[in-house]
Amino acid sequence: QKEVEQDPGPLSVPEGAIVSLNCTYSNSAFQYFMWYRQYSRKGPELLMYTYSSGNKEDGRFTAQVDKSSKYISLFIRDSQPSDSATYLCALRTSYDKVIFGPGTSLSVIP
Amino acid sequence: DGGITQSPKYLFRKEGQNVTLSCEQNLNHDAMYWYRQDPGQGLRLIYYSQIVNDFQKGDIAEGYSVSREKKESFPLTVTSAQKNPTAFYLCASNGQGEYYGYTFGSGTRLTVV
Repeated sequence: QKEVEQDPGPLSVPEGAIVSLNCTYSNSAFQYFMWYRQYSRKGPELLMYTYSSGNKEDGRFTAQVDKSSKYISLFIRDSQPSDSATYLCALRTSYDKVIFGPGTSLSVIP
Repeated sequence: DGGITQSPKYLFRKEGQNVTLSCEQNLNHDAMYWYRQDPGQGLRLIYYSQIVNDFQKGDIAEGYSVSREKKESFPLTVTSAQKNPTAFYLCASNGQGEYYGYTFGSGTRLTVV
């Protein structure tokens, strides 16, 4: 089993839709959870981060962590064409390097 | 503005040739990383360095070499021993105690011709 799994997509939604992106993981030692956004031919940029379980909201974006199920989610409300990108989840313990998911490709159609 | 600069943006390599990708940061970060990104495979760690004059192999180090002579610089050499070097290469860094991930450069696209 891979340490982090993520549906690669591609995911195509109409503008204004609610998008749900998800990752599952196997290592219960992960404590720090991040989402990166990567536009085509660019480096990833940190979008949101959370520590341990719970929700965190930032504008149209909500990050959710369920450590009991080893499941993390990113919700995008009122999706825009500018949200079209690849979204990578990333996780780390307190003592090791970041582990990245393979990414989900999202297209928001006007 | 602080950040990571990767150059060149595009690089073409002939068979059997070594090429060096540049990565420079002015964030005063101790740790630096090189990743390779292929479609559908996510980010794979090639090499990382947590301090000057020291570096460790990542998951796919074969055919690559690095040096860390200065805190700001972490160049990656793709040698002729790397049989499938065509990929997008990303350099990243983070500071001590920064648990929430890395700062990335804009990447170098390497193509074998």
